[in-house]
Amino acid sequence: ETGVTQSPTHLIKTRGQQVTLRCSSQSGHNTVSWYQQALGQGPQFIFQYYREEENGRGNFPPRFSGLQFPNYSSELNVNALELDDSALYLCASSLSAGTQETQYFGPGTRLLVL
Amino acid sequence: AQSVTQLGSHVSVSEGALVLLRCNYSSSVPPYLFWYVQYPNQGLQLLLKYTSAATLVKGINGFEAEFKKSETSFHLTKPSAHMSDAAEYFCAVSDRVRIQGAQKLVFGQGTRLTINP
Repeated sequence: ETGVTQSPTHLIKTRGQQVTLRCSSQSGHNTVSWYQQALGQGPQFIFQYYREEENGRGNFPPRFSGLQFPNYSSELNVNALELDDSALYLCASSLSAGTQETQYFGPGTRLLVL
Repeated sequence: AQSVTQLGSHVSVSEGALVLLRCNYSSSVPPYLFWYVQYPNQGLQLLLKYTSAATLVKGINGFEAEFKKSETSFHLTKPSAHMSDAAEYFCAVSDRVRIQGAQKLVFGQGTRLTINP
């Protein structure tokens, strides 16, 4: 149990729709990172938020966007869904207080795009 | 750019046997290295991490890994496998340079470990 929760656990959408995934960070953590894990692959970094500002982005198009709220919970939004967006989406929270902080992962949201 | 290669997408060992999962990294600067485990339908759990202290790192559940700079490797071992070790294992690398926030993790493709009774 990492103290990081994600909702929903599973989601089915159709191509072209929009989706919002949510992450509740571990108490006191000010940094959240989002990762996409396609079936049979390792997670890939989407972006990170630090104190409500985007703090780095991976190789994902602008239709992937996010928010971090004052209570450090976070959202991942994906517009114009494509079939290849089907994946497990993981968030990880950490406290940016040094160079050796551990990132704690949530259980993920499994998204299926039909 | 950093990258990680995990040799062997599937590894099968007998219960009680040695577990060896291989990871090689590519990085232009000394990296941080991690091993994560993922049980079915769950997120990632940190097993251990190397952050430039001792090169032999001990983690949870009896796992350990050794950082070998000359071989650019960070292989994960456990002397005696248990049925509960069956899971997917991911090696990850990050750089040390960070102004704020957390390091971006670059993951390998994963190795599925099966334990035979």
